[in-house]
Amino acid sequence: AQKVTQAQTEISVVEKEDVTLDCVYETRDTTYYLFWYKQPPSGELVFLIRRNSFDEQNEISGRYSWNFQKSTSSFNFTITASQVVDSAVYFCALSEAWDSGAGSYQLTFGKGTKLSVIP
Amino acid sequence: EAGVAQSPRYKIIEKRQSVAFWCNPISGHATLYWYQQILGQGPKLLIQFQNNGVVDDSQLPKDRFSAERLKGVDSTLKIQPAKLEDSAVYLCASSLDRVSYEQYFGPGTRLTVT
Repeated sequence: AQKVTQAQTEISVVEKEDVTLDCVYETRDTTYYLFWYKQPPSGELVFLIRRNSFDEQNEISGRYSWNFQKSTSSFNFTITASQVVDSAVYFCALSEAWDSGAGSYQLTFGKGTKLSVIP
Repeated sequence: EAGVAQSPRYKIIEKRQSVAFWCNPISGHATLYWYQQILGQGPKLLIQFQNNGVVDDSQLPKDRFSAERLKGVDSTLKIQPAKLEDSAVYLCASSLDRVSYEQYFGPGTRLTVT
């Protein structure tokens, strides 16, 4: 069974500080996909990134960067120079390549990390 | 492009009452998902539709929960009768098709059962 662990329940940082959100996953599949979603106070989940298990290159998008390490089963997310608008709950999620039994991609979410950026 | 729409945004009911939530996915999206998000946890998939057929409902408590997507567009999730532990946010999401990785989420319906 697949599992996602986000050990940090809540993090507070002062604006302009860098912050890293940790994500550790478990899966028996060799092909899988990892995701990060942002859930602002408005409630809807916003897709941030998808990474497949064969691509271990780190990715940078503006102030966001992701570090994928298969050796430690981790997919960490760093926000550089944090801003108040980054305050939200961030979810890491895992999807195994194809669930033939269900005929679908099953997204398993972690419990989320609540990030508060203090001005 | 309009996003996923859900209504109502908030609902308070007493236990043993019934409640229904509505979702309208992004136009052209064949796959629709209902998730339950209990406070402090990540979303958990309840049911997945492909057009108007059910792909996966293995985690739907079928004794009290039901869902339909009759014309393959909008969908309704019903709880009857509600229990205290059903208090949660119910999220609807859609994707282009069942092999698409990216799911687009609506704002959710926050249900409080007293």
